[in-house]
Amino acid sequence: NAGVTQTPKFQVLKTGQSMTLQCAQDMNHNSMYWYRQDPGMGLRLIYYSASEGTTDKGEVPNGYNVSRLNKREFSLRLESAAPSQTSVYFCASSGTVNTEAFFGQGTRLTVV
Amino acid sequence: GQSLEQPSEVTAVEGAIVQINCTYQTSGFYGLSWYQQHDGGAPTFLSYNALDGLEETGRFSSFLSRSDSYGYLLLQELQMKDSASYFCAIRGHTGGFKTIFGAGTRLFVKA
Repeated sequence: NAGVTQTPKFQVLKTGQSMTLQCAQDMNHNSMYWYRQDPGMGLRLIYYSASEGTTDKGEVPNGYNVSRLNKREFSLRLESAAPSQTSVYFCASSGTVNTEAFFGQGTRLTVV
Repeated sequence: GQSLEQPSEVTAVEGAIVQINCTYQTSGFYGLSWYQQHDGGAPTFLSYNALDGLEETGRFSSFLSRSDSYGYLLLQELQMKDSASYFCAIRGHTGGFKTIFGAGTRLFVKA
């Protein structure tokens, strides 16, 4: 079982560059999420998607955009990367009723 | 909005019992969840309380009191491998069931 798959696992960007983090889940979940985690801190919600075709802002959406391409895929885009976006990014998914969230292995992003 | 508070660090000895508390503020939620995260890894689900009371899963138990806006995770027979960060989380009634996490409690288990 693949669960939640994120790519890439590691990425180094220069300030101002753009990139898209990819996430796919094979559990037929309606809800998908993007979180960022900074050293020694908790998970902060960037964006989430309750279902295919819908997205909404979380706690820290500035500097990011998302696309819920279909039920399986939810991508996160950094249009113009900044050093403050250096973080570990996690994608997660959960069912509508079942509250357990399943996480991808994370993307470690460094912006220099 | 929603917010959760938990202690930043807890230290305990191998074989002991430790309790990690979580207080929250929310206008409505389905239940309180707990996740474990080892260094360099992804969070993994531990436990969930939809109703008030105690839920037991092996060495781990979790408790919820909606009237007190409070919950805790209880770890028994601590093992060195339990050294990790533990997060409480709530999933709201509205806004696409978004899940919000606390800042996490770092548990250090000493021999």
